[in-house]
Amino acid sequence: ETGVTQSPTHLIKTRGQQVTLRCSSQSGHNTVSWYQQALGQGPQFIFQYYREEENGRGNFPPRFSGLQFPNYSSELNVNALELNDSALYLCASSSSTWLAGGGGTQYFGPGTRLLVL
Amino acid sequence: GQSLEQPSEVTAVEGAIVQINCTYQTSGFYGLSWYQQHDGGAPTFLSYNALDGLEETGRFSSFLSRSDSYGYLLLQELQMKDSASYFCAVNSNYQLIWGAGTKLIIKP
Repeated sequence: ETGVTQSPTHLIKTRGQQVTLRCSSQSGHNTVSWYQQALGQGPQFIFQYYREEENGRGNFPPRFSGLQFPNYSSELNVNALELNDSALYLCASSSSTWLAGGGGTQYFGPGTRLLVL
Repeated sequence: GQSLEQPSEVTAVEGAIVQINCTYQTSGFYGLSWYQQHDGGAPTFLSYNALDGLEETGRFSSFLSRSDSYGYLLLQELQMKDSASYFCAVNSNYQLIWGAGTKLIIKP
């Protein structure tokens, strides 16, 4: 059992709306990463938070933003939703040894499936 | 650019051995990870190679050749529950860069 939880499990929004997805990391992990996985594809890195600071970002526009809280839980916010934002959004937590190639692993939550109509 | 190549689909028979190959081209490389994902589920970690050679974990083994930018996942004694998608992913700086996944179909 990974211990990473995400909410909600499913969400339906319309184009132009805003959405907030939540993630609780595994106990003892201070690093949270968010990924977007379109159907039939591998996950794409959105950004990563370490000790409440964003310390890495993939090729996603600024309307994708995030937060990490003192308890290391995290939020992903997406503004001005577009149809191609429909995807599975995955949160992964890891210890700081994972950073900069320290090895170890990322533990993934079950994901939030977002449908934009 | 950064890319990982792996076969889109592999079919094997229950009880057999299957190898899933992965070649990569990335700007940064710390190691190669393998994940399993069942339909509708989250990726689960299988193995990680930072150095050249073979890592064995039960029925699963993973191999890395850094000079060839190549790795593979070997699954032995295949079981029906192994039917899933398998992803290779490069640990690059602060992120995982993923391949498109290999769908493993197991026939009885």
